[in-house]
Parts: sequence; structure tokens; C-alpha cells
Amino acid sequence: DGGITQSPKYLFRKEGQNVTLSCEQNLNHDAMYWYRQDPGQGLRLIYYSQIVNDFQKGDIAEGYSVSREKKESFPLTVTSAQKNPTAFYLCASGEPGNTIYFGEGSWLTVV
Amino acid sequence: AQSVTQLDSHVSVSEGTPVLLRCNYSSSYSPSLFWYVQHPNKGLQLLLKYTSAATLVKGINGFEAEFKKSETSFHLTKPSAHMSDAAEYFCVVSGSGTYKYIFGTGTRLKVLA
Repeated sequence: DGGITQSPKYLFRKEGQNVTLSCEQNLNHDAMYWYRQDPGQGLRLIYYSQIVNDFQKGDIAEGYSVSREKKESFPLTVTSAQKNPTAFYLCASGEPGNTIYFGEGSWLTVV
Repeated sequence: AQSVTQLDSHVSVSEGTPVLLRCNYSSSYSPSLFWYVQHPNKGLQLLLKYTSAATLVKGINGFEAEFKKSETSFHLTKPSAHMSDAAEYFCVVSGSGTYKYIFGTGTRLKVLA
């Protein structure tokens, strides 16, 4: 099946710990995105990547980092600098200005 | 600059009655407009999109939307609601060839039996 796979579905972070969310796509899209969703709010862009080895900060990049070493993969690291990381994280891919396709999301909770 | 406003945060309808979810947009150039649906604890699924072709756009599950440039609106409708339509709906604006997508704050649709 073609699509976007995010893992894990649920992740818990301790204070001072970095955690990484995985995102893999087999849609052959150049562009990939990471969004954060808080309850009752819309999606906010964290980072996006137009092509391999390139990525750009979105609206709320502080406390997050990404890499894009392969076309299929765009992992997101939530660092200890992110003081309020509890949220639902969504990965997406697509062609610019056209439909973007989403993964099933990952829940991150601070314990 | 682009922006999108979903005029209702919550909408309740009875099963079998029409659905109307309202979306207004602002764009300094010809926009691409989308409606997505999100069920609890899931990712977003595309319902339909407008990309400067026909102004009346038909989507999946019986939904459709009409692009009205004069009113800067892109409202989502369905003639008859089903219980499975209960979800959150997002209106999204973008531009041809851009990487920027602006999401509305969402409308939660409740369908009453």
C-alpha cells in the first residue's frame, strides 16, 4: 500500500530527554512536512523539506530538529529545549500547492 | 498573504439532514483550497480540493464544496448527514507551487441520531 507511516503511535518523554518520531513515505514525493496539533487547534508547521538534504524551519521550529538523508524518510527529534512538547504530531508529504497526504500521527506525552 | 477562517467551531445536525460547514479565505493570488476530515486519534484525510478548474467540487462520501471568488468562500456541504460523518473538518488554503499550507482551526461536526 502507498502511504505515510509514522511510528511510534504513542511516546513518552522524560524531562531532559530527546525523542525521535519516525516518518516514512513511499509516495515518491519530494516534499515532506511535520505539523504539531494541540487539542482544539489547527495544525502548526514545525519543519518542512523540499528535497533530500534540505529542510526549512516552519512557524514553531524552536526545540525541534529534523534530517532528510533519504527521500523516503523525514524523522523529527523533539529536544529537551522544547518545554511544552505534549501534542499530536503529524507527518505529511506532497507536491507543492497540491494535495498533501498525512500519516496517522504520533502522540507525545511528557512524564 | 493568505489566511483561512472557519466560521463555526462546532456544528450539530440530525442524521439525514443537510450539513453546511463554512470557510472563508483570504489570498493575494489564485488559491488552492482543500477540505480535510480528521477522525479521533487519526491523521487527516482529503475530502476534496479546488485548484482553479470547476467551481463546484465533488469529493468523497457525498461531500461537495463551491468556490465563490466574490464572497471569498469555500463552504462544505452534504445533502444528508450520516453518523459516520461525525469528525473534525479542516479548511486549508495554499497556492500553486508553494510549500505553505494555512489550516483553519477546525469545525467539529456532531451528528445526532
